Formats: sequence, C-alpha cells, structure tokens
Amino acid sequence: KQEVTQIPAALSVPEGENLVLNCSFTDSAIYNLQWFRQDPGKGLTSLLLIQSSQREQTSGRLNASLDKSSGRSTLYIAASQPGDSATYLCAVIGAGGTSYGKLTFGQGTILTVHP
Amino acid sequence: DAGVTQSPTHLIKTRGQHVTLRCSPISGHKSVSWYQQVLGQGPQFIFQYYEKEERGRGNFPDRFSARQFPNYSSELNVNALLLGDSALYLCASSFWPGGNEQFFGPGTRLTVL
Repeated sequence: KQEVTQIPAALSVPEGENLVLNCSFTDSAIYNLQWFRQDPGKGLTSLLLIQSSQREQTSGRLNASLDKSSGRSTLYIAASQPGDSATYLCAVIGAGGTSYGKLTFGQGTILTVHP
Repeated sequence: DAGVTQSPTHLIKTRGQHVTLRCSPISGHKSVSWYQQVLGQGPQFIFQYYEKEERGRGNFPDRFSARQFPNYSSELNVNALLLGDSALYLCASSFWPGGNEQFFGPGTRLTVL
C-alpha cells in the first residue's frame, strides 16, 4: 500500500526566504508525482507535475525534484512571498495494481510567510 | 476554457439522508475521479471513472456510489449519511486515468448534522 509523508507539517518563515518542502513515498512504482497548493476551504491548484522518468520541473519561483529510486521529492520555493501562504500537498499516481491511476496524497505542509 | 466545475458549493444534511454531488470535467477530459478530504488531512481516493466505466474504487463503504454520463460529467451519491461523512468532496479530471496531470474543482463542502 502506497504511503506518502510530508515534512515538515507546518513552516513559518519571513518574506524573502528560500525554503524546501519534503515528500517521501513508500512504493516506487509510480507514473508521476504532482505538487498542489490549497488555500483554506478551497480546491487544489496544480503547481508542478514530474513524470517518473524526469528528475525535476521548474515553474517560475518553484522547482520540484524527484528521486524515484529513493522515494523522495522536494519542492523548492525561491524568494517566498506572503501570497505563497497555503497548504502544499504532494501526491503520487500509482503505476500498477490497485494504485493504478489513483492519486495518493500526503497530509500536507502548512506554509505561512510573514511580511 | 472553464476548469472543473462542481455543484453545489455547500450542502447541509442530517444523518440518514442521501446526497448527490455533481462534477463537470474540463472539456476534452474523459476521466473523472472523486476524493474526500477531511479537515486537516490529505484527500482520500473514492472513485475513478473513464469512458463511463468504473476504473478504480477506494476503501469506502457501499453507501458511496458514482456514475459517469455520456458527456463525461459525473455524480457522486452517498446514502444513509453519517456524521463522519462531513468533508470537502473534490472532483478531478484528466485526459485518461493513467499518468496525466489531474485538475481539481473547487469542491463541495458537505456538513452532516
């Protein structure tokens, strides 16, 4: 059974800091890994998708890496801003068996960026 | 283009009642998945549909059912509501059920009293 863990559970930083969010998963049989952002009470916004054959993806101030063999991904946010405050969720899509096509999520990292 | 849409936005029901939630995928997407998110937790997979057929089911009781229509929209039905069914119900769409990027709707907030 796939399990996804995110560390830290919460993070509070001053504006302008560079920060790293961590995600680990137990089963390396994945199609891809997706990072999402969720504002309170809202739906999920897709930030980055990394295919299992890729090592990293970049979008603006965001960079996500994937080490499939070790079951780890990191989301790097450069020059954080108060508008980045949200919950960040990591999810993997299974490549086979009962996990096929299914997103398995971590519990999220709650990020607060202070002005 | 419109994103994934869900209705209603909020819903309040009492224990034992039945509820129907609706989802319209992004135009061109044929796969729809449903997730339940309890406060403070990550979303949990409930169902996946592709081309009107169920392609996956999570660890939820038979009180939960779903279907997909010819226009690829979908309904999630929950019977005999329990207090523990209170959650944000999220719908996601993608081109196909494999490794495509999934896009989520705004969710339906269900409160069971």
